[in-house]
Amino acid sequence: GQQLNQSPQSMFIQEGEDVSMNCTSSSIFNTWLWYKQEPGEGPVLLIALYKAGELTSNGRLTAQFGITRKDSFLNISASIPSDVGIYFCAGLHTGGFKTIFGAGTRLFVKA
Amino acid sequence: EAQVTQNPRYLITVTGKKLTVTCSQNMNHEYMSWYRQDPGLGLRQIYYSMNVEVTDKGDVPEGYKVSRKEKRNFPLILESPSPNQTSLYFCASSVTGGLNTEAFFGQGTRLTVV
Repeated sequence: GQQLNQSPQSMFIQEGEDVSMNCTSSSIFNTWLWYKQEPGEGPVLLIALYKAGELTSNGRLTAQFGITRKDSFLNISASIPSDVGIYFCAGLHTGGFKTIFGAGTRLFVKA
Repeated sequence: EAQVTQNPRYLITVTGKKLTVTCSQNMNHEYMSWYRQDPGLGLRQIYYSMNVEVTDKGDVPEGYKVSRKEKRNFPLILESPSPNQTSLYFCASSVTGGLNTEAFFGQGTRLTVV
């Protein structure tokens, strides 16, 4: 089945640093979503993007829907230890009943 | 409290022994889906349901069945489990599967098939 290309696979950063991760696809999506998963838990929605070019923030998190509709990025500013987890991008096509997830970016933050 | 509840959280079974993983949501959501999560592959959609008695295949439906007889429940059935179905399974629900996409996930079921 189709997958999104999410990078990087993992990141080891120092507390206070900014983080950037992205997802690309060969096909167009109408909605991009970013989730965070902590150990032993299910993913939790962070940001949803519905229009090409849209830039949306949620606290220290900022995500953008690429203008080609084939990519999206997530930035985390001034990282803190509780940012540790796996971040997933997900895309939905028109109709939106099938969700395609990226493989995830595993973030490690050193205090 | 709004939640999606999966049971069991952990299950070890033998090849070929039928099993059911239950999923229940208390938010009156129409849309529910099942995913499996494997290292390096992220979450892959197994089946989804847009409403009672309406289900459809996701990306990896082989070896799985689902049913949606009531709005709140969406069980995942493995008629004859095999070792390649060892995985972490998540159930999710949302108001609709379309633009209103806040999906709530259960805590996961870790299945091992030996």
